[in-house]
Amino acid sequence: EPEVTQTPSHQVTQMGQEVILRCVPISNHLYFYWYRQILGQKVEFLVSFYNNEISEKSEIFDDQFSVERPDGSNFTLKIRSTKLEDSAMYFCASSRQSSYNSPLHFGNGTRLTVT
Amino acid sequence: DAKTTQPNSMESNEEEPVHLPCNHSTISGTDYIHWYRQLPSQGPEYVIHGLTSNVNNRMASLAIAEDRKSSTLILHRATLRDAAVYYCILRPSAGGKLIFGQGTELSVKP
Repeated sequence: EPEVTQTPSHQVTQMGQEVILRCVPISNHLYFYWYRQILGQKVEFLVSFYNNEISEKSEIFDDQFSVERPDGSNFTLKIRSTKLEDSAMYFCASSRQSSYNSPLHFGNGTRLTVT
Repeated sequence: DAKTTQPNSMESNEEEPVHLPCNHSTISGTDYIHWYRQLPSQGPEYVIHGLTSNVNNRMASLAIAEDRKSSTLILHRATLRDAAVYYCILRPSAGGKLIFGQGTELSVKP
């Protein structure tokens, strides 16, 4: 069964550094999402992306964050200048369509540790 | 977004059925009831969804109350591998993002 893959599985960075988290969504999917989960807390929506544009974003997704689909297969989340509070699991997800009938498929996440 | 309420945790014995409840008293007519689960150290995984009628798939069954203000996810024979956090989520018919709550942490005893 096709999967969403995320790399790296664990990223350690220093405060103030830029990080790029990478995702390869399922190949025939058109809608892409990033979520994060701080240790012990809820899974939180960050951003959704369709047709090379952000379709929706949360309050968490401020100017420090950006997303890109640089080629036909990758979907990336960039954090420009990391803060300690950005430490979390980051999950990428994709779906074939946007409708209720099209479930989201999640990757197994990248654990970001900011020191 | 309409809210759901789930118990924080539940326990089950292996090979017994598990009924995971969810209350959603403010559900709107166009909201679908979705269930996802998150196994330890993994991303969330789709389980099942429904609108009004009960639904079955290879993973679980979903029983929806007639007034749609509550639903129950049924695992027919729990295995150790079913230990996870189960999320009940309302998703509009137009789809889009999922909003996760705290979910129910299910533990399964051998």
